[in-house]
Amino acid sequence: DAGVIQSPRHEVTEMGQEVTLRCKPISGHNSLFWYRQTMMRGLELLIYFNNNVPIDDSGMPEDRFSAKMPNASFSTLKIQPSEPRDSAVYFCASSLAPGQGWTQYFGPGTRLLVL
Amino acid sequence: KNEVEQSPQNLTAQEGEFITINCSYSVGISALHWLQQHPGGGIVSLFMLSSGKKKHGRLIATINIQEKHSSLHITASHPRDSAVYICAAGYNTDKLIFGTGTRLQVFP
Repeated sequence: DAGVIQSPRHEVTEMGQEVTLRCKPISGHNSLFWYRQTMMRGLELLIYFNNNVPIDDSGMPEDRFSAKMPNASFSTLKIQPSEPRDSAVYFCASSLAPGQGWTQYFGPGTRLLVL
Repeated sequence: KNEVEQSPQNLTAQEGEFITINCSYSVGISALHWLQQHPGGGIVSLFMLSSGKKKHGRLIATINIQEKHSSLHITASHPRDSAVYICAAGYNTDKLIFGTGTRLQVFP
């Protein structure tokens, strides 16, 4: 299995531009998570989906952030407009099923730099 | 408020040493996760436990539910164990609350 796939791996953009991060979970996994990692705040959950439905988006920092999961094999995290404080590494993870009994598998991350 | 604290923040060791990293949490959990983040940035799940102890190779994770405390032990440490180790507390949802991580460096 290829594991969780994220693209792009690196993104450099200018303030005000739209940024779209993509994630393909492991086939057969029903839960998908978006995380953000910064030096100041460490790892934080932004949003997670079960069976393509958003369950908890309380970690989404503000309206500039949005996430979708149109089908079981694809999710996007969009930032519009982007700001320098959005610079971070964004991880996507998936697990087999909802609930705490399942290991989360992380993608390689997208390193975002907003100038 | 659900909080997760790790100690120490940084740890250096000589190859072969026994290493312990501690994690405490403030509210009862359903599961405690230990993650390893490699120098290149990739994150790997090491353990998920809700009671007792788990062992995988030279890694051992323990949890004491009453004391709200977990430890990750590495026996016979090796330079390739150098990484950031992160504990995360899971509650009655899929949501994880992460500790700030422990940066481990093992020197030959």
